[in-house]
Amino acid sequence: DAGVIQSPRHEVTEMGQEVTLRCKPISGHNSLFWYRQTMMRGLELLIYFNNNVPIDDSGMPEDRFSAKMPNASFSTLKIQPSEPRDSAVYFCASSLDPRAQYFGPGTRLLVL
Amino acid sequence: DAKTTQPTSMDCAEGRAANLPCNHSTISGNEYVYWYRQIHSQGPQYIIHGLKNNETNEMASLIITEDRKSSTLILPHATLRDTAVYYCIVRVSNSGGSNYKLTFGKGTLLTVNP
Repeated sequence: DAGVIQSPRHEVTEMGQEVTLRCKPISGHNSLFWYRQTMMRGLELLIYFNNNVPIDDSGMPEDRFSAKMPNASFSTLKIQPSEPRDSAVYFCASSLDPRAQYFGPGTRLLVL
Repeated sequence: DAKTTQPTSMDCAEGRAANLPCNHSTISGNEYVYWYRQIHSQGPQYIIHGLKNNETNEMASLIITEDRKSSTLILPHATLRDTAVYYCIVRVSNSGGSNYKLTFGKGTLLTVNP
């Protein structure tokens, strides 16, 4: 199994630009999670989907952030417009049961 | 979910057992104890979880006290590759519904020394 796949692995962009992060969960998993990690705030859950439906987006910082899961094998996290404070590592994770969430390698985002 | 308290950092000699403590004095009856770890520059990795019985898998052992107010993660023979931040998380685990949230604290930085 390839595990959770995220792309790009690194992204450098300028303030005001749109950023799209992509995630392919492990095949057969029915839950998908987006997390953000910074030194100041640690690891935070942004949103999670169950069976492609957003269940809880209370962690999404503001309207500039949006996430979609059009099918069971693909999800996107979009930031528009991006700001320097959005610089962080964004992780996607998937799970089949409540025990173990499997995390991807993360996307390191730098907004200048 | 109940709050957890972990030491900020610990050291361990390579080849020795690493014992990582976690306090969760406000844990309720239906809450499980989960352990994840995060090796530098990687995503978190699930290690083990338990409710009230001790658990063991290929990675580690989890010892939960009888009153469930604390637990210890044991890496029996620590290697340099076990250097990571270890997170103790308490949450309800149910197969139905949508309670899949993990709330990560600051964890314990375990440094395994040669």
